[in-house]
Amino acid sequence: KQEVTQIPAALSVPEGENLVLNCSFTDSAIYNLQWFRQDPGKGLTSLLLIQSSQREQTSGRLNASLDKSSGRSTLYIAASQPGDSATYLCAVRPASNYQLIWGAGTKLIIKP
Amino acid sequence: GAGVSQSPSNKVTEKGKDVELRCDPISGHTALYWYRQSLGQGLEFLIYFQGNSAPDKSGLPSDRFSAERTGGSVSTLTIQRTQQEDSAVYLCASSSIAGGFTDTQYFGPGTRLTVL
Repeated sequence: KQEVTQIPAALSVPEGENLVLNCSFTDSAIYNLQWFRQDPGKGLTSLLLIQSSQREQTSGRLNASLDKSSGRSTLYIAASQPGDSATYLCAVRPASNYQLIWGAGTKLIIKP
Repeated sequence: GAGVSQSPSNKVTEKGKDVELRCDPISGHTALYWYRQSLGQGLEFLIYFQGNSAPDKSGLPSDRFSAERTGGSVSTLTIQRTQQEDSAVYLCASSSIAGGFTDTQYFGPGTRLTVL
């Protein structure tokens, strides 16, 4: 059974710092991995999707990497801003179905 | 263009009542998903539609839960005889092609269900 873990559960850093959020999964048979952002009381916004054949994806200040064999993904946020404060969720789509299996999220606070 | 919309945004009901939650996916998206987000449980998959068919219902927690999709568009999630443990935020997502090279799921704002 696929399990997804995110570390740390919460992170508070000063504005301007670069930071890394971690996601690990137990079964390497995945189709893709997605990073989402969730703001309080709002829905989920897709940030980056990495196919199983890819190593990384970039969008603006965000870079996500995937090491399928070791079951790890990282989300790198450069030059963090207070507007980056949110909960970041990692989700894995198994190769065998269309579900997303979710991590519990990392709550990120960027202090001005 | 318009994103995924869900209604109602909030629903408060009494234990034992039936509720219907609605999802309007992005126009043209063939795949539709329902998820549930509960305190202490995180996000969990409920059901997936491709067109009007539901090839994967494995996440529905009990036979009190059912869902349908009509015209390849709107979907309704029905919970019969609601229980307090059904209280959660119900999220709907759609994607243009399930299983395609890019199947990013786009989420609606959710329906917050509270069962008293």
